[in-house]
Amino acid sequence: EDKVVQSPLSLVVHEGDTVTLNCSYEVTNFRSLLWYKQEKKAPTFLFMLTSSGIEKKSGRLSSILDKKELFSILNITATQTGDSAVYLCAVGPLTDYKLSFGAGTTVTVRA
Amino acid sequence: DSGVTQTPKHLITATGQRVTLRCSPRSGDLSVYWYQQSLDQGLQFLIQYYNGEERAKGNILERFSAQQFPDLHSELNLSSLELGDSALYFCASSAGAGGYTEAFFGQGTRLTVV
Repeated sequence: EDKVVQSPLSLVVHEGDTVTLNCSYEVTNFRSLLWYKQEKKAPTFLFMLTSSGIEKKSGRLSSILDKKELFSILNITATQTGDSAVYLCAVGPLTDYKLSFGAGTTVTVRA
Repeated sequence: DSGVTQTPKHLITATGQRVTLRCSPRSGDLSVYWYQQSLDQGLQFLIQYYNGEERAKGNILERFSAQQFPDLHSELNLSSLELGDSALYFCASSAGAGGYTEAFFGQGTRLTVV
């Protein structure tokens, strides 16, 4: 069965800090890894990574995938209170379209 | 707004009852996925339909069923409801044609079974 483990489970930082979130996975026939941000309701899509070593960047958020070591990192720099959310990592296999999600990392940014 | 529409937003019902959750995917998306999110389980994949046909199945209970209609909207039917079925049910959609693409989530239906 596919397995996605995120760490840490939660963290509290102050505005301006940098956070690094980790996601490790075991999945048969890996195709892609996705990061989502979940505030109150629906997870919103952040990044999809399919190739190793290529950094995806959007503003203060960036992510990189290591397919050899089976993990990904999501970085948030210069954090703001609006970054407070649960960040979810999910993996998608090659053979079908379902996503397996990790338990998420709860990030709290204090002013 | 992701473009995925779910109704109703909230549902409160009694044990033993049956409910139907509805999802309209983003325009042009052929794949619809249903997920259940409860406090202790996280996001769990239930089932996926692609262009009207069941494509993948997760840990979906036999009391639950789904279908995707010719206009591509989907319904998730939950029957003989139990207290433990209380959760947030998400629908997501993706283009899903010929390979995996990112899925966009609706706002969810919060089901409370009392």
